[in-house]
Amino acid sequence: KAGVTQTPRYLIKTRGQQVTLSCSPISGHRSVSWYQQTPGQGLQFLFEYFSETQRNKGNFPGRFSGRQFSNSRSEMNVSTLELGDSALYLCASSFPSGGAGETQYFGPGTRLLVL
Amino acid sequence: AQKVTQAQTEISVVEKEDVTLDCVYETRDTTYYLFWYKQPPSGELVFLIRRNSFDEQNEISGRYSWNFQKSTSSFNFTITASQVVDSAVYFCALKFFPDTGNQFYFGTGTSLTVIP
Repeated sequence: KAGVTQTPRYLIKTRGQQVTLSCSPISGHRSVSWYQQTPGQGLQFLFEYFSETQRNKGNFPGRFSGRQFSNSRSEMNVSTLELGDSALYLCASSFPSGGAGETQYFGPGTRLLVL
Repeated sequence: AQKVTQAQTEISVVEKEDVTLDCVYETRDTTYYLFWYKQPPSGELVFLIRRNSFDEQNEISGRYSWNFQKSTSSFNFTITASQVVDSAVYFCALKFFPDTGNQFYFGTGTSLTVIP
């Protein structure tokens, strides 16, 4: 079974631009979560989607948004990019419903550099 | 508040040495789940183990072993006879129940370097 895939793997943007990152979960997984990883703040939870609904959101500004499609694929969008948004963005999926006891499987991440 | 502490920021060992990575957690919940993940330089987080709060049995998987002690709120990870391929950043993570979703609380990670 294919793992979690994320596209693109690397991205360079300039301040003020917006960016969309994509995540395809493992087949059959319906819960998709997003995390931001930076050297200073570590791994921080962004949001989680299940059945096309955002179920939980971390402490990030409204510039960070996401959505999930009926096939469980998810996208996250960051508008008006800031230098501090440079990070590794990781997507994770779990089966079947995103409960606490489920293991999340992570993708390889998208490395975003904001200049 | 939910919190995971990995006090060891960086550890270096010589190949074949044993090494223990510490993880201390805080939660007021009685039901929770603990995880360990490995992050090699490629960036992907690789799942290693999951343990629920009602199962304090230690676990061994090959060269890896985990010691879960609720009395000290610790979930430590030992690599026996370390190898260069074990070099990575290791994260301990906590999820609690009932949760508001599938949110991990991660520790800050321990960077392990195994020197040949």
